[in-house]
Amino acid sequence: AQSVAQPEDQVNVAEGNPLTVKCTYSVSGNPYLFWYVQYPNRGLQFLLKYITGDNLVKGSYGFEAEFNKSQTSFHLKKPSALVSDSALYFCAVRDPASSNTGKLIFGQGTTLQVKP
Amino acid sequence: DTAVSQTPKYLVTQMGNDKSIKCEQNLGHDTMYWYKQDSKKFLKIMFSYNNKELIINETVPNRFSPKSPDKAHLNLHINSLELGDSAVYFCASSQHGTGGTGELFFGEGSRLTVL
Repeated sequence: AQSVAQPEDQVNVAEGNPLTVKCTYSVSGNPYLFWYVQYPNRGLQFLLKYITGDNLVKGSYGFEAEFNKSQTSFHLKKPSALVSDSALYFCAVRDPASSNTGKLIFGQGTTLQVKP
Repeated sequence: DTAVSQTPKYLVTQMGNDKSIKCEQNLGHDTMYWYKQDSKKFLKIMFSYNNKELIINETVPNRFSPKSPDKAHLNLHINSLELGDSAVYFCASSQHGTGGTGELFFGEGSRLTVL
């Protein structure tokens, strides 16, 4: 069964410092991986995805993520955090074997707090 | 223009009542979803429709009944509301023709509170 885990409930960083939000996954085949961000009282916004190709994926708002097949990880990164990046971040996985359904499995979310 | 719009945004009702949430997308997508986000922010898929046809029906009580009159609309009707139904319900859409690699576009959510 496919699953995704975000081991940290909360990540705290100072503004201007690099940030990492961790994600590990478990699927039977090659995964499709996604990151979403949720601001308070808002819907989820797509940040980036990995389907195939280059392991380093660049996305919106200066975020990027690195796919690591051997470690089954897809960590979200940003070189310099902004206070406005403070939000709830979700990693999600889609098993290609079930791609005809479009079903995404979400991690439990990580709250990112960036302090001035 | 809002890509995925849900109404109402807030819904407060008594136990035992029946309520509906409506969703419309103007992205031309062929697949729509309902997700439930609980008080711990955990997201779980409930239903998915592709071109008006039900393709995902997770273990959701049959008090929940989705209806898709056309591929741009997916409504959620809930009968006999219970306290545990209190949550934020998100509608989403995606384009299936990308072989399932397309990202989901989410609405702003409908916060349901059952008293």
